[in-house]
Formats: sequence, structure tokens, C-alpha cells
Amino acid sequence: DAGVIQSPRHEVTEMGQEVTLRCKPISGHDYLFWYRQTMMRGLELLIYFNNNVPIDDSGMPEDRFSAKMPNASFSTLKIQPSEPRDSAVYFCASSPLAGAGGELFFGEGSRLTVL
Amino acid sequence: DAKTTQPPSMDCAEGRAANLPCNHSTISGNEYVYWYRQIHSQGPQYIIHGLKNNETNEMASLIITEDRKSSTLILPHATLRDTAVYYCIVRVDYKLSFGAGTTVTVRA
Repeated sequence: DAGVIQSPRHEVTEMGQEVTLRCKPISGHDYLFWYRQTMMRGLELLIYFNNNVPIDDSGMPEDRFSAKMPNASFSTLKIQPSEPRDSAVYFCASSPLAGAGGELFFGEGSRLTVL
Repeated sequence: DAKTTQPPSMDCAEGRAANLPCNHSTISGNEYVYWYRQIHSQGPQYIIHGLKNNETNEMASLIITEDRKSSTLILPHATLRDTAVYYCIVRVDYKLSFGAGTTVTVRA
């Protein structure tokens, strides 16, 4: 099993540019989560999907952030325009089950640096 | 979700058992206790979870007190590769709320 695959692993961009992070969940997992990790705030849940439908996006910081899941095997997190405070590691995770008992499988993360 | 309290750091000798405490005094009856760990520069990794009973798997054991207000994760024979940040989380639904965790350093 390949696990959750994220790309790019590292991204360096300039303020104002558009950034797109990609995620391929584990096949058969119905739930997909986007997390962000910074030194100051730790790991934060941004949004999660169930069967490709966004269920809770209350953690998305502002309108500059958007996430889509066009099909069961692909999701994107887009930041437009990017700002230096968006610099963080962004993790995607998938799960076969929601609720208690559903283990989350995390990808290796995408490290974003906005200059 | 109930809040958890963990010591910020602890050391452990290689080959010895590592006992990681977690306090969750406000846990409610349907909330599970989860443990994840994050090795440097990697994504968090699931370790174990439980509701009331003690649990054991190939990685660790989870001991939950009878009143469920605290728990202990036990790594039976710590290795250098167990050096990581360990997160104790109480959860009833999809949301995993990560705190600061315990930084565990296993020393040779």
C-alpha cells in the first residue's frame, strides 16, 4: 500500500503567488483531512471531506484558502494569494471511518515557504 | 473535545520501558483516548486507542484508569527510533485536536 501521497514535498514561493498542494488518499478511504502545522500553533485541522464532499471547513483560516476534492483519489489545497504567514507544513490524511475508531493515515507533508 | 495534559518532555534509556502519562480529567463517556506520534519531519503516526479497557498492540500498551481521567502509554522496549513527539488526544468524532505533546528522547 503506497499510503497517502502528497506533492510537492517542498515549495518555496514569493508573496502573492498562487500555491497548490496536492494529495492522493489511500484507495478506499472515504474521509480526507487537511492539517497545517506551525511552531506557534501546532497541528490544526483545516478542512475535511467525506465521499468527496466538504463537511467542515471551519478551520480554513480565510478566503485565500480553498480546498477541492474532484474525485475519490485526488484533493487540492490552494492558497491565493500566498502570504509569509502561510509558511507551514501542510499534511493530508485519510481514513476509512469517521468518528471514534477511525485511524487517520497521514502523508509526509508539504513544506511551504512563502518569502 | 476534552483537553489533555502531558509533560513537555521526558528521557528514556534504550531497551527500557517508556511510560508516558496523560491527564484528561474532563473526558466524557463516549470519548476515546488516542495516541499518535510524530517523528521529526514526518507525518503523525497512529499508535493505539481505547475507550475503557486497557489495550495492547504490536507497538504499545494503553492503560486507562478506572475513572478514565488519565491514561499511560507504555512503549515496552524503547529504541532510538522511538524518539518522537507523542500526542495524547481524546476524540469522539472525526476531529483530532493535537496539543503540544510529549517530546520523548530515547538515549543509548
